[in-house]
Amino acid sequence: ETGVTQSPTHLIKTRGQQVTLRCSSQSGHNTVSWYQQALGQGPQFIFQYYREEENGRGNFPPRFSGLQFPNYSSELNVNALELDDSALYLCASSFPGTSNYGYTFGSGTRLTVV
Amino acid sequence: SQKIEQNSEALNIQEGKTATLTCNYTNYSPAYLQWYRQDPGRGPVFLLLIRENEKEKRKERLKVTFDTTLKQSLFHITASQPADSATYLCALDARRNTPLVFGKGTRLSVIA
Repeated sequence: ETGVTQSPTHLIKTRGQQVTLRCSSQSGHNTVSWYQQALGQGPQFIFQYYREEENGRGNFPPRFSGLQFPNYSSELNVNALELDDSALYLCASSFPGTSNYGYTFGSGTRLTVV
Repeated sequence: SQKIEQNSEALNIQEGKTATLTCNYTNYSPAYLQWYRQDPGRGPVFLLLIRENEKEKRKERLKVTFDTTLKQSLFHITASQPADSATYLCALDARRNTPLVFGKGTRLSVIA
């Protein structure tokens, strides 16, 4: 079985630009969650998608948006990048009702905004 | 306000000893509590889950306890090894289809 794949692994963007991060979920998982992790902090919840619908959102501004596709892969889009958006962005997939197995995380995308 | 606190940012321990990490929470009623391991530059890896009606869970050298009265979970690694050095995150899961909420993590260093 495949795990969660995120692309790209690293990215450098200029303040004000837009970025799209991608995630392929683990086979059989229909729920994708996105997290932002600043250095030395725990992951902060951005939003979650379940069967292509947003299913919960954390305390992030509307310039953070997302999509989930019919194959359950997902995108995170960030507009008007700010320096504080520099972080590790993590995608996690899961399947409701199988909480015994927790979330499966990708290795993340390291975004640097300069 | 809701809080999850892992009360040590860093913990150093001698190889072979038992490492004990603490996770406290306030203003949550979690249905599940999960523990993850995270290595530098990598995503968290799921280790163990314990339900609100369970007191203890074990997996090989790992043991998790959950006290909903104290609002606390303890995570133990017995016979610790240098390879256990990593950041350990606790996470609360309130209900199905609600997001996992993470603590800041504890960085464990096992010294040979």
